[in-house]
Amino acid sequence: NAGVTQTPKFRVLKTGQSMTLLCAQDMNHEYMYWYRQDPGMGLRLIHYSVGEGTTAKGEVPDGYNVSRLKKQNFLLGLESAAPSQTSVYFCASSYSLNSAGGNGELFFGEGSRLTVL
Amino acid sequence: EDKVVQSPLSLVVHEGDTVTLNCSYEVTNFRSLLWYKQEKKAPTFLFMLTSSGIEKKSGRLSSILDKKELFSILNITATQTGDSAVYLCAVTQGDSWGKLQFGAGTQVVVTP
Repeated sequence: NAGVTQTPKFRVLKTGQSMTLLCAQDMNHEYMYWYRQDPGMGLRLIHYSVGEGTTAKGEVPDGYNVSRLKKQNFLLGLESAAPSQTSVYFCASSYSLNSAGGNGELFFGEGSRLTVL
Repeated sequence: EDKVVQSPLSLVVHEGDTVTLNCSYEVTNFRSLLWYKQEKKAPTFLFMLTSSGIEKKSGRLSSILDKKELFSILNITATQTGDSAVYLCAVTQGDSWGKLQFGAGTQVVVTP
C-alpha cells in the first residue's frame, strides 16, 4: 500500500542550483498534481497532469517545470532555485473526472521540504 | 478574484468540547467543496460536498454546504487530542477536477 511516494523528503539547495522532485503513484490514477504549501497560504497548485504525456500550469507555475513520461510518475523540476521557492511540496493523484472511482478525492504524498539558501 | 476563506485561523479547545469551523468561498462555476485534515504530513480526505443542505457525517465529524450563502461548516463533537490538526477547505470549479483551490486552513489544538 505505497499510495503516493515522494523523493527526496528533504533537500537544501543553494540559489541557482537545480533539482528534481520525483512523485510516484501505484493506484493507476490518471491525474497528478504538484502543490506547494507555505505558512498562512494554504496549498497552491503549481502544475498538474491529466494523463501520460500531458501537463498544464496551475496557479503558481513560474520557476518550475514538470514532465509526465510515465503514467505513474510526475516530476517537478527547479531549473535555477531561488529562496522564494523554499517551501513544502506535495504531490497528489486522483481518478479522472469521468471514471467510476472518481469522487474528487486527492491522495497526497507525505511532502518534500525544500530549503533554498 | 476567486477566493476561499477559512475562519477562525486557529483555536484551542478542551477535550470534550464541540468545534465549528467555517469555510466561505467566492469562485466562478463552483463544482464541489472538500474538507481535509492535515496532521504532520499529508492532508487526508474527510468529505466532499456538492449539494446544499445535505449533511455528511463520519463518526464525530460532520459537514454541510450552503450554496446560496456560499459557505460550509465542519463540526467536530466530543473532541479528542487526536483531533488536533490543521483542517483545510478546498473548492473545485467546472471541469477542473483536481485543481483544488485551498483556504489557508484552521489550526485546531485540543488540550487534555
